[in-house]
Amino acid sequence: DGGITQSPKYLFRKEGQNVTLSCEQNLNHDAMYWYRQDPGQGLRLIYYSQIVNDFQKGDIAEGYSVSREKKESFPLTVTSAQKNPTAFYLCATAGSSYEQYFGPGTRLTVT
Amino acid sequence: RKEVEQDPGPFNVPEGATVAFNCTYSNSASQSFFWYRQDCRKEPKLLMSVYSSGNEDGRFTAQLNRASQYISLLIRDSKLSDSATYLCVVKVAGTYKYIFGTGTRLKVLA
Repeated sequence: DGGITQSPKYLFRKEGQNVTLSCEQNLNHDAMYWYRQDPGQGLRLIYYSQIVNDFQKGDIAEGYSVSREKKESFPLTVTSAQKNPTAFYLCATAGSSYEQYFGPGTRLTVT
Repeated sequence: RKEVEQDPGPFNVPEGATVAFNCTYSNSASQSFFWYRQDCRKEPKLLMSVYSSGNEDGRFTAQLNRASQYISLLIRDSKLSDSATYLCVVKVAGTYKYIFGTGTRLKVLA
């Protein structure tokens, strides 16, 4: 967790705008993940990436896009096609031990 | 049926009590198991991995029962600071995908 940064911590946007959330890690982990958490609910997987230049859709990928051009970075774009974008977004990494570590999260509010 | 199920609680226990949570999973190909702790409006933090033979870390003990497909977490001598939501997480073999339970909320009362 100490080696994963997400920025910004809070983000406010108007409906219809795309927004990109940052996730950077210095843990040298191959796998990176994006989750969404809504109040009182569990984490839902948006996208994940096992290696650079490769990523797979999770359970709720519609309205989101990602890229993995560098091992350290896995940015998430929330597009205007995402119907309910207001949520807590969490980035995670996993190494060879399969233990996942999370960044501090970004709270996105779209009005 | 959910892939990973937990009792949402809350479990309200007095300081010093012992409390146990169970979590059941449906995929028999599940490979790795974890308990995470999540404080309100914070990210989940890894509490402990769960090994086949069971494992202990201080006041925390985790057990895995593959035959019945459940894992458990036991907390002894509960502290006020243990108040949090405890998430059960399962990784499916052959994938990089993790399945999260919705969490069990624990409140330790003074």
